[in-house]
Amino acid sequence: QSALTQPPSVSGSPGQSVTISCTGTSSDVGSYNRVSWYQQPPGTAPKLIIYEVSNRPSGVPDRFSGSKSGNAASLTISGLQAEDEADYYCSSYTTSSTYVFGTGTKVAVL
Amino acid sequence: QVQLVQSGSELKEPGASVKVSCKTSGYTFSSYTVNWVRQAPGQGPEWMGWINTNTGIPTYVQGFTGRYVFSLDTSVRTAYLQISSLKTEDTAVYYCARDTYGGRSMLDPWGQGTLVTVSS
Repeated sequence: QSALTQPPSVSGSPGQSVTISCTGTSSDVGSYNRVSWYQQPPGTAPKLIIYEVSNRPSGVPDRFSGSKSGNAASLTISGLQAEDEADYYCSSYTTSSTYVFGTGTKVAVL
Repeated sequence: QVQLVQSGSELKEPGASVKVSCKTSGYTFSSYTVNWVRQAPGQGPEWMGWINTNTGIPTYVQGFTGRYVFSLDTSVRTAYLQISSLKTEDTAVYYCARDTYGGRSMLDPWGQGTLVTVSS
């Protein structure tokens, strides 16, 4: 199972919006609404910020939103803040009953 | 609150074995699976598989069969990852993470991670 494809980096100024894409195939992203997103600041464990494409766990700011179309999903961070600087990974359930992660995107706040 | 607390860093020589523990608290242990994820230095996470906390039956993804064993001690709500015949390329941070049954892709929360370094 190949990793989902994400851009290596995105950046934005405080207050701006950034969007991270996550491209998979009909065997993963395209087959289920089971796409999640994880935030990983340097030296820490990943943290779930979006599950089932667009749902936010309790405590996650509504600045984070997710969507999906076909074989691709995306994460948008609105009103970018300095604390949002981190690596972000998408993940999807697959038709092989496994999980696959994305290649990761580093978000920089300018 | 829900917590997964892992054992500390390990330094091992090639060919040795290591056992990482993941102690859980704050929820009904049998209602969720425990998953294992590897993150090599500078790389993204890689899902290794999961263990059914009701039956103790593990599921390993391709690439993590043979030298890897997931196990449980339900009496202390703890999951274990054992890796045998360690190789230098096993150097990574290993995470445990809770998930719902049914593959909903909701790994939450994660343990703090255990760094395993394999070096002679």
